[in-house]
Amino acid sequence: DTGVSQNPRHKITKRGQNVTFRCDPISEHNRLYWYRQTLGQGPEFLTYFQNEAQLEKSRLLSDRFSAERPKGSFSTLEIQRTEQGDSAMYLCASSLDGDSGNTIYFGEGSWLTVV
Amino acid sequence: GESVGLHLPTLSVQEGDNSIINCAYSNSASDYFIWYKQESGKGPQFIIDIRSNMDKRQGQRVTVLLNKTVKHLSLQIAATQPGDSAVYFCAENIYYNQGGKLIFGQGTELSVKP
Repeated sequence: DTGVSQNPRHKITKRGQNVTFRCDPISEHNRLYWYRQTLGQGPEFLTYFQNEAQLEKSRLLSDRFSAERPKGSFSTLEIQRTEQGDSAMYLCASSLDGDSGNTIYFGEGSWLTVV
Repeated sequence: GESVGLHLPTLSVQEGDNSIINCAYSNSASDYFIWYKQESGKGPQFIIDIRSNMDKRQGQRVTVLLNKTVKHLSLQIAATQPGDSAVYFCAENIYYNQGGKLIFGQGTELSVKP
């Protein structure tokens, strides 16, 4: 499978614990995005990278959230001191900068439940 | 069947009928639009996109229409099948080909009755 890969697919954690999600984008895609989606809503943008540079961050990304893409390939999203309001699906997406456009492809998401 | 997106978030059609899902986008500066299909428990799946220099684009069984005057986007699905049942989102993007965030609409749930 050469699509966007995310893991773990499901995570249940206790409030106050830290969690980390990993995303492997489509090979050679230089842009990588993180979104959050709650039930019944559309995905909301969190942040995006072009290669290893984090170019934009949403105000939704509080100081408990940190995303990295150290080598311009895979990315991690860490949530520290989780709260029940963090329960959501965290989606990763990637795209390739090029003349053909900027089609953004999503992974299957990582479900987080904070209890 | 036809929906008005934000006002009628659920659209129910008979198998074989054509479906029209509507979306009103927010930013007149948006120059790239995408329709995604999302099945329960899965990530959004790319269906079709359109740039602002076009008003119509066709794919396999799907057509996207763009009316920039009224900031309106629609997705037409021909001969709707049970496998088309899902939530459909429109998304807009500013600065085509320069990356950046997608802004998603509320979504419309399409239910296909056999």
